[in-house]
Amino acid sequence: ETGVTQTPRHLVMGMTNKKSLKCEQHLGHNAMYWYKQSAKKPLELMFVYNFKEQTENNSVPSRFSPECPNSSHLFLHLHTLQPEDSALYLCASSQGGRYNYNEQFFGPGTRLTVL
Amino acid sequence: GENVEQHPSTLSVQEGDSAVIKCTYSDSASNYFPWYKQELGKGPQLIIDIRSNVGEKKDQRIAVTLNKTAKHFSLHITETQPEDSAVYFCAAVYNNNDMRFGAGTRLTVKP
Repeated sequence: ETGVTQTPRHLVMGMTNKKSLKCEQHLGHNAMYWYKQSAKKPLELMFVYNFKEQTENNSVPSRFSPECPNSSHLFLHLHTLQPEDSALYLCASSQGGRYNYNEQFFGPGTRLTVL
Repeated sequence: GENVEQHPSTLSVQEGDSAVIKCTYSDSASNYFPWYKQELGKGPQLIIDIRSNVGEKKDQRIAVTLNKTAKHFSLHITETQPEDSAVYFCAAVYNNNDMRFGAGTRLTVKP
């Protein structure tokens, strides 16, 4: 166990559905991340929250909406997704701060399938 | 932005042999280079990292080398074991929070 949990582990949804992914870290970290992992592609950073403030948004479509209510919880709200959004969505956390060259701890991921 | 390339995409070795995975990066400002191992059904887990002020780092059977001039870094696993079989990712961090990953190498260690 890495101290980062994600729910659900698997999710199947239609293109018109609204769902949310949840991530929780028990490590006392202050930075949390969402990554998308597609087959045969590098992990793609989607969002970064550092001390609950969003600091990165790598041109992610608006159908993905993050929420970070506190430093221990991170959500990814999904709305009208496309089949190409099917992937493994990974959450990670790290100590955070201005110079954040620290190890990132990953959760097990949510395997999302969009029909 | 940073672009990280990783080779090979697949690597098969015999148990006991060495395995080498190579990565190149594009942004000379990058200064932190972690390596992650991802086993089936799990998220990536850090196995070793190196910062730009160091040329080599070793931890038991795992070592990483960094050549800042050439902008490449490598992972070396010696005396490979079947439990080393996994997907390995290199990464480069070029600003405070943006970590860019290579596409991964699937390592298979045959007993």
